Amino acid sequence: NAGVTQTPKFQVLKTGQSMTLQCAQDMNHNSMYWYRQDPGMGLRLIYYSASEGTTDKGEVPNGYNVSRLNKREFSLRLESAAPSQTSVYFCASSDRENEKLFFGSGTQLSVL
Amino acid sequence: GENVEQHPSTLSVQEGDSAVIKCTYSDSASNYFPWYKQELGKRPQLIIDIRSNVGEKKDQRIAVTLNKTAKHFSLHITETQPEDSAVYFCAASNPSGTGKLIFGQGTTLQVKP
Repeated sequence: NAGVTQTPKFQVLKTGQSMTLQCAQDMNHNSMYWYRQDPGMGLRLIYYSASEGTTDKGEVPNGYNVSRLNKREFSLRLESAAPSQTSVYFCASSDRENEKLFFGSGTQLSVL
Repeated sequence: GENVEQHPSTLSVQEGDSAVIKCTYSDSASNYFPWYKQELGKRPQLIIDIRSNVGEKKDQRIAVTLNKTAKHFSLHITETQPEDSAVYFCAASNPSGTGKLIFGQGTTLQVKP
C-alpha cells in the first residue's frame, strides 16, 4: 500500500496564480484533511472532509477551496495565490474510529 | 474552539537523559491526545496516543500522562538517543469535529551524543 500520496512535492507560483494540490489515499479511510505547516506554528488545519461528499472549514480556510472527489481523493485549490500562502502543505487521512492520522510526504509551496 | 499550547519550543539534552514535553488544552470535552514525531524533511508520524479514560500509557522508552482536571498532558522520553532528535507535536481532538485534531506549536528536541 502506498498510504497517502500527494502531488506535487515542490511548486513555485507567482502572486495571483492558481494551482491544485492533489491527494489520494488507498487505506479506505473515511476522513481526509489538509494541514499547513509554518515555522513555530505547528500544523494548522485548513479544511477537512469527514466522509465522502462532505467538507468543512478548519482553523485557516481563507484563500483555499477543497473538493472531495471520491472516497480516495481530496484536493486543495489556491485560486489566487498570495505570499502568505508560502508553506509546507500536508494531506492526511484517518480511520474515523481511532483518529490516528496518516500523512502524505508534503508539498513545499513558494509564492513569489 | 480548541486551543493547544506546547512547551518548550526547543529542548536540548545529553544522550541518555530524559526529556519531557508538556501540552495544555482548552476544551475539557477533548478526549483524544496523540503525539507525532517529525524528522527533518519527513512527514509527521504517530508515536503514541492516549484517550481520556486513561491516565498514563507507556511504549518502551516513551510514555504519555494525562491530567484531565488540569487539562494538560505530557510526553516523557527516557534514555534518549540521537535518533530521538526531531520535532514533536502534541494534539487534542476537537469533539465538535470528526477526528479533527488541533496541534500544538511543536518542540524541537536535540539529543547530543
